[in-house]
Amino acid sequence: DVKVTQSSRYLVKRTGEKVFLECVQDMDHENMFWYRQDPGLGLRLIYFSYDVKMKEKGDIPEGYSVSREKKERFSLILESASTNQTSMYLCASSQRGVRGFEAFFGQGTRLTVV
Amino acid sequence: ELKVEQNPLFLSMQEGKNYTIYCNYSTTSDRLYWYRQDPGKSLESLFVLLSNGAVKQEGRLMASLDTKARLSTLHITAAVHDLSATYFCAAAYYGGATNKLIFGTGTLLAVQP
Repeated sequence: DVKVTQSSRYLVKRTGEKVFLECVQDMDHENMFWYRQDPGLGLRLIYFSYDVKMKEKGDIPEGYSVSREKKERFSLILESASTNQTSMYLCASSQRGVRGFEAFFGQGTRLTVV
Repeated sequence: ELKVEQNPLFLSMQEGKNYTIYCNYSTTSDRLYWYRQDPGKSLESLFVLLSNGAVKQEGRLMASLDTKARLSTLHITAAVHDLSATYFCAAAYYGGATNKLIFGTGTLLAVQP
């Protein structure tokens, strides 16, 4: 089974802190994604990566950055956390290819910024 | 830009009844995905629809895809309480070497006994 593991289930951080959310996948997938989930808004794409050291902005990249130094690991960085970044963060990975790219999700990190 | 709309956002239904969730998307996409999310849990893949006219069934759930109408449906037959969850559809976006999934807002399904 594909396994996508996020480093924390729950995090509480203070406004202005630099926050790192880590995600590791074990299926050698090329694509990795970070989404945030908020009630009534569904899942919104923050950043994604289609290869090591490659990244692309999603729909809501402001206030975030990412790092992909190794194929299996994709990190989301909140440079200076703010209360409006309180949310559920979901990491996903998928293959890249003509057969489609079903995404597999991690368990989620619920981040609270106080 | 690819946008995905789901309706309804909330669905309360009685056990034994049938209903359909609709997923519309704004530009060409020939791959559509359905996911289920239980409260406090992550997303679980339900169906992958890879071509026009594709139909897939698992238990009381059946998903279909009409790429010409840019519409996918998730039909629930004789609902049971265990189907209570949030259901998301997602359409595939292709951008050269990159590809990504764009999600709808989700449909919260509550099946009442």
